[in-house]
Amino acid sequence: GPKVLQIPSHQIIDMGQMVTLNCDPVSNHLYFYWYKQILGQQMEFLVNFYNGKVMEKSKLFKDQFSVERPDGSYFTLKIQPTALEDSAVYFCASSLYGGQDTGQLYFGEGSKLTVL
Amino acid sequence: GDSVTQTEGPVTVSESESLIINCTYSATSIAYPNLFWYVRYPGEGLQLLLKVITAGQKGSSRGFEATYNKETTSFHLQKASVQESDSAVYYCALALSGQKLVFGQGTILKVYL
Repeated sequence: GPKVLQIPSHQIIDMGQMVTLNCDPVSNHLYFYWYKQILGQQMEFLVNFYNGKVMEKSKLFKDQFSVERPDGSYFTLKIQPTALEDSAVYFCASSLYGGQDTGQLYFGEGSKLTVL
Repeated sequence: GDSVTQTEGPVTVSESESLIINCTYSATSIAYPNLFWYVRYPGEGLQLLLKVITAGQKGSSRGFEATYNKETTSFHLQKASVQESDSAVYYCALALSGQKLVFGQGTILKVYL
């Protein structure tokens, strides 16, 4: 089936550094998402993105976070600067349609971020 | 707020036995949320198992079933006879606006021969 690829699978960085997590969504999809899962907790919505713009973001999407998809390449999540509480697994997802009535999100395997 | 609670795992069952993973939800920001079960098999990304968008209806896929019960705010996942290949992590979720999914904590299912 369709696959979402995430790079890197694991990254370890020092607090205060910048990190960029990359996502290669399903090729014809138009809507993109990031979710965050702290160890032992639920996966939580961060942000969704369509047509070059953030559509909605949660309170977890701090000012240090940004997303973009320049020229149809990777959909990226950048954190600058990182903090200890940013340590988590970040899941990218994409869908062909937006709105509440579909739910057909395709997820990547996650990028585990460890901030020291 | 909006939340999902599901059976705490791991759940361990023998192949060909029946399975039920409980899921209850609380939806305060939307009256009739769409409900989903997602599954993550080892080494793969999360994928949709089944969804139901209408209260009272049942969804099914790969032998799994779940019924949207608005009275009890439940969406339990059931299968009559599990296989070893069903071993995975199962997530119950509800959808708010704009494809925002609220997930449960996940239930690890281990099926042994």
